[in-house]
Amino acid sequence: GAGVSQSPSNKVTEKGKDVELRCDPISGHTALYWYRQSLGQGLEFLIYFQGNSAPDKSGLPSDRFSAERTGGSVSTLTIQRTQQEDSAVYLCASSLGVGVDYGYTFGSGTRLTVV
Amino acid sequence: KQEVTQIPAALSVPEGENLVLNCSFTDSAIYNLQWFRQDPGKGLTSLLLIQSSQREQTSGRLNASLDKSSGRSTLYIAASQPGDSATYLCAVRNNYQLIWGAGTKLIIKP
Repeated sequence: GAGVSQSPSNKVTEKGKDVELRCDPISGHTALYWYRQSLGQGLEFLIYFQGNSAPDKSGLPSDRFSAERTGGSVSTLTIQRTQQEDSAVYLCASSLGVGVDYGYTFGSGTRLTVV
Repeated sequence: KQEVTQIPAALSVPEGENLVLNCSFTDSAIYNLQWFRQDPGKGLTSLLLIQSSQREQTSGRLNASLDKSSGRSTLYIAASQPGDSATYLCAVRNNYQLIWGAGTKLIIKP
């Protein structure tokens, strides 16, 4: 597609439920990133995928968070047993590669509200 | 640990003015610096990308400068328009991660 696509755009869930957030990167982009933007705070790195390499999960805040990327394309971020502090905008970005010449293209994000 | 600061946090100016947004970072060992724009309820739009070896980049009414040794970047917006109203974020790249400032919320009054 022309841009990075994220779904759903908004998600309201009850505390304790599991949620799945989807990211469809730009075709041909080998690098994919998930960031979280909490209200009034800067963006926080969550996880990074590059090609077939093992992902960098160092930013995931707890073991309730996991992500996968199938076939080097679509990625799913899963949050289990959601808590109110998980409420944030989850942003996905992709990049043509990991070289420093490449900028990031972001999706519109998924706004998650845990009630 | 890299820290990125943006000043001011908010700015409101009349239409037509030229303005400067500031970004500073603590570790000069960056690969590049990127300026983004964020509109309410929307994702991030990349405005300008400056490599560590570059001093500035220009796109239309926007000009971004980078002084790596002093840990500073500025985003200059010429002849501001109401459509420029948004939150502007700068991010420095360390390895493959982006480290973000908290943003400057800009309001351009008609």
